[in-house]
Amino acid sequence: DAGITQSPRHKVTETGTPVTLRCHQTENHRYMYWYRQDPGHGLRLIHYSYGVKDTDKGEVSDGYSVSRSKTEDFLLTLESATSSQTSVYFCAISERYSGANVLTFGAGSRLTVL
Amino acid sequence: DQQVKQNSPSLSVQEGRISILNCDYTNSMFDYFLWYKKYPAEGPTFLISISSIKDKNEDGRFTVFLNKSAKHLSLHIVPSQPGDSAVYFCAASASNTGNQFYFGTGTSLTVIP
Repeated sequence: DAGITQSPRHKVTETGTPVTLRCHQTENHRYMYWYRQDPGHGLRLIHYSYGVKDTDKGEVSDGYSVSRSKTEDFLLTLESATSSQTSVYFCAISERYSGANVLTFGAGSRLTVL
Repeated sequence: DQQVKQNSPSLSVQEGRISILNCDYTNSMFDYFLWYKKYPAEGPTFLISISSIKDKNEDGRFTVFLNKSAKHLSLHIVPSQPGDSAVYFCAASASNTGNQFYFGTGTSLTVIP
């Protein structure tokens, strides 16, 4: 168990408001990721981090920012939420399994933007 | 542009029969492939993987086949069980890009009792 906790698990907000999703891990994994899951699109990478204060963009980073000030926490911020950002957001960490890297996911955060 | 594609959004199979889920990729630099299973309201869970140096990997009822020349992989589940009903995602990564993983759009498998 990689000990990944996402919060909040559910959130409803209004267009234009800021939103922050938190991912917390307990096992000092270096790599952390934020994905969003949408019907017809599967899982798409938003941002990822390869260490404290080290982050990079993924496929769908527009409208999102991230921060990682501690190894255990990776925050995803929507500065001004839009209806197109209604989605299920998954945090993940990368860990070794049988000599290769495997992603382990949190339980997800469902965000609805009205 | 989708680098990993799952062209069948859904699949229904009778219990006890074989389920075959397919996945295609376009990036020839991908050298590691994974399958994930996802139940509603849960995060995806890792199921099985294969390196590009192999063409088959088996784990119990699950076998993944890789055809590098066709840039195609498949997941076989034999025998299928009702508890296998879930959405299955294939994913790929390239060792030269470090820890980036690209996912397909998923196939929803229903195993009919």
